[in-house]
Amino acid sequence: EPEVTQTPSHQVTQMGQEVILRCVPISNHLYFYWYRQILGQKVEFLVSFYNNEISEKSEIFDDQFSVERPDGSNFTLKIRSTKLEDSAMYFCASNAGVSGNTIYFGEGSWLTVV
Amino acid sequence: AQSVTQLDSQVPVFEEAPVELRCNYSSSVSVYLFWYVQYPNQGLQLLLKYLSGSTLVKGINGFEAEFNKSQTSFHLRKPSVHISDTAEYFCAVRGFYNQGGKLIFGQGTELSVKP
Repeated sequence: EPEVTQTPSHQVTQMGQEVILRCVPISNHLYFYWYRQILGQKVEFLVSFYNNEISEKSEIFDDQFSVERPDGSNFTLKIRSTKLEDSAMYFCASNAGVSGNTIYFGEGSWLTVV
Repeated sequence: AQSVTQLDSQVPVFEEAPVELRCNYSSSVSVYLFWYVQYPNQGLQLLLKYLSGSTLVKGINGFEAEFNKSQTSFHLRKPSVHISDTAEYFCAVRGFYNQGGKLIFGQGTELSVKP
């Protein structure tokens, strides 16, 4: 079964450093998403991406965050200057775009900011 | 806008007992409803979804859920749980007319199955 893949699975970074989380969505899917889950809390929407542009973003997704689809397969989340509170599990997801279709999630990238 | 409330943060249960995980939602538009499961140190896996039609939907691993529009609920049930069902369960909604719309998740319910 096709799956969303994410790298790295775990990254430790110093506060103030830039981080790029990478994702390969399911082939032929049209919508891409990033979510995050702070330890012990619920899964929160960050951003959705369609047709090479952001279609929706949450209040969390401020100027420190950016997304990019640099080629036909990868989808990246960049955090420009990490803060301690950015420590979380980041999930990439994709959706074929057909009404009612499932959003498929990757295994997640655990980011620890120290 | 939509919101989801999962009424129980933790549900301990003995193996082979039945379980119900409760989910209520709020929305100004029609929604699709989902349950996802997150096993320890893993990603989110779809258990089941309600799109339309029969209000009772069956999913993987013997789980089922019933959509109740009047009560705006989508409770998840399993008649007999196994140790391997120990995981975090998330209820989620998505707007009916928005093909690429985001999922809104509840807070999660931690199901702990004891021998």
